[in-house]
Amino acid sequence: AQSVTQLDSHVSVSEGTPVLLRCNYSSSYSPSLFWYVQHPNKGLQLLLKYTSAATLVKGINGFEAEFKKSETSFHLTKPSAHMSDAAEYFCVVSAAWFGNEKLTFGTGTRLTIIP
Amino acid sequence: DTGVSQNPRHKITKRGQNVTFRCDPISEHNRLYWYRQTLGQGPEFLTYFQNEAQLEKSRLLSDRFSAERPKGSFSTLEIQRTEQGDSAMYLCASRSRGTSGGPVSEQFFGPGTRLTVL
Repeated sequence: AQSVTQLDSHVSVSEGTPVLLRCNYSSSYSPSLFWYVQHPNKGLQLLLKYTSAATLVKGINGFEAEFKKSETSFHLTKPSAHMSDAAEYFCVVSAAWFGNEKLTFGTGTRLTIIP
Repeated sequence: DTGVSQNPRHKITKRGQNVTFRCDPISEHNRLYWYRQTLGQGPEFLTYFQNEAQLEKSRLLSDRFSAERPKGSFSTLEIQRTEQGDSAMYLCASRSRGTSGGPVSEQFFGPGTRLTVL
């Protein structure tokens, strides 16, 4: 069984300040973890992925996430928010390496950027 | 555009009618997935194909739902006797088989088909 919990349904930050979106996971296997972003009326886009290589993962648009097995966490961060970062963000877990193909999504965190 | 495409983008139907959605994956991708996303929620897995074989179906996929991928390329998702609870965004994704022994390849998502059942 696998699941993710996104700890905040809504995060607001001022432009130019750091972003932190929190995610905890549960998986019976060593998981693959992803962050996807969904802009209004657009498809889901992969920001970054962790697949058991380096625990600090760098993604697109300046985002990064750190896999912490002891804390079962995979929080998403960005040093300086930009107006274009306003979107819905999903933390996702997969066990495809072990034959479980489906992605399990969290409920999402809506990020609002204050000018 | 070589991404995943879905048609139609929007569908409005009356309760009890049948609807069919189409997904065209990225051409070299042998795995294809359907998800459903309701308002304020993350996408939920419905079903998965490897080539033309449907290998997994979620309990969410009731008897009124059927999916096919007849030639291992495009896929269709049909909902019979639609209900208001079927109103949602239906997402299609595809991925390649990846490299042997390498990391799992990512799923690429289409823009979705938004279904409204009146």
